[in-house]
Amino acid sequence: GNSVTQMEGPVTLSEEAFLTINCTYTATGYPSLFWYVQYPGEGLQLLLKATKADDKGSNKGFEATYRKETTSFHLEKGSVQVSDSAVYFCARLKGGRRALTFGSGTRLQVQP
Amino acid sequence: GAVVSQHPSWVICKSGTSVKIECRSLDFQATTMFWYRQFPKQSLMLMATSNEGSKATYEQGVEKDKFLINHASLTLSTLTVTSAHPEDSSFYICSARDILQGGEGGYTFGSGTRLTVV
Repeated sequence: GNSVTQMEGPVTLSEEAFLTINCTYTATGYPSLFWYVQYPGEGLQLLLKATKADDKGSNKGFEATYRKETTSFHLEKGSVQVSDSAVYFCARLKGGRRALTFGSGTRLQVQP
Repeated sequence: GAVVSQHPSWVICKSGTSVKIECRSLDFQATTMFWYRQFPKQSLMLMATSNEGSKATYEQGVEKDKFLINHASLTLSTLTVTSAHPEDSSFYICSARDILQGGEGGYTFGSGTRLTVV
């Protein structure tokens, strides 16, 4: 089926630390993959995306590479800031319905 | 950028009553809107796909008669939780897709509605 698995949180880091949030997907074809971010009190916002294997999505210092060999799309950032504190969702497009299937979300808390 | 307004942001209702949640695309047209439900510390689960001018497509296990969806225009979809019960308490989120944005993008999310049934 179409599913997304991401690491459980919460993740607590100090400012300027390196961030990795793991995400894997079930491989039925080559789905488009996304990372969404939800800041407190706000709706989900698209952070980055990749539409085919080996693509790298990047935005605001965050990166994720579409790896078909490991069916993964891990989110990374070299130096996190307090303002990055939010919940991060990995997602894939769900077949013909064109809806998104989400991972469980990972809460990131960055401390000064 | 694209904005989706979801209203109300929170609602408390008595068991047995119905609640309507609105989802509006403010500066774009959306032939398709999606309704999700999120339980505490869990992922967003797709409930249904709402298509303008036609019947919604519900996911397996979602009761059509309980969760009524209407998508009467290109900018408005509504979700009505009928005869609500405490187990319907949840966080409901809508998403709209901009018809002018092809490819894999164009999904904009509302801020969600926290429903509490007492």
